[in-house]
Amino acid sequence: EVVLTQSPGTLSLSPGDRATLSCRASQSVSSRFLAWYQQKPGQAPRLLIYDVSTRVTGVPDRFSGSGSGTDFTLTISRLEPEDFAVYYCQQYGTSPPFTFGPGTKVDIK
Amino acid sequence: QLVESGGGLVQPGGSLRLSCVVSGFTFSSYWMSWVRQAPGKGLEWVANIKEDGSEKTYLDSVKGRFTISRDNAKNSLYLQMNSLRAEDTAVYYCARGHSAPDSWGQGTLVAVSS
Repeated sequence: EVVLTQSPGTLSLSPGDRATLSCRASQSVSSRFLAWYQQKPGQAPRLLIYDVSTRVTGVPDRFSGSGSGTDFTLTISRLEPEDFAVYYCQQYGTSPPFTFGPGTKVDIK
Repeated sequence: QLVESGGGLVQPGGSLRLSCVVSGFTFSSYWMSWVRQAPGKGLEWVANIKEDGSEKTYLDSVKGRFTISRDNAKNSLYLQMNSLRAEDTAVYYCARGHSAPDSWGQGTLVAVSS
């Protein structure tokens, strides 16, 4: 099973700041099968990015994904008030289980 | 739209059947998944099922206890949960997709407690 770790656990930033979230895998994620989700309190997760860097239709271009192998990054170029949430990475490159990271909370400083 | 139902409070060892009714897309053309989230915790993929129901995969900890199924004529996805344990307590989400779901329901809470 591929174990994902995310850092930092919490990121305290202000609107307009740049956010850099890290996701590290215990082994190489095959075929770039890594996704990022956003979850707000009381809501279901929302898929933002899949295949490392492909944004879902409708996701603002201030969200970008990058990385390869075992190290991946979600960058939010300029935080908007609606971006304060928990972000999860997920790998789906190996056979199940398709594991998620523990999440990074982006909160308002 | 995906709408789950069937959650509730159940004693350890008990059973529940979750349902998810889908609208707004061609249900029979998509793999479907169940993903759960324990209270205050992260996400955990549970199971998925192929478009025609011919392939199913499960999280190891639920194998032999949970069964995923679907009825394409009714646009419905199901999760039969038997021999429930306290650690199965979570919000269960129905989601569209094989592995990185792009559309999710609002979830239904399953609480396993005596």
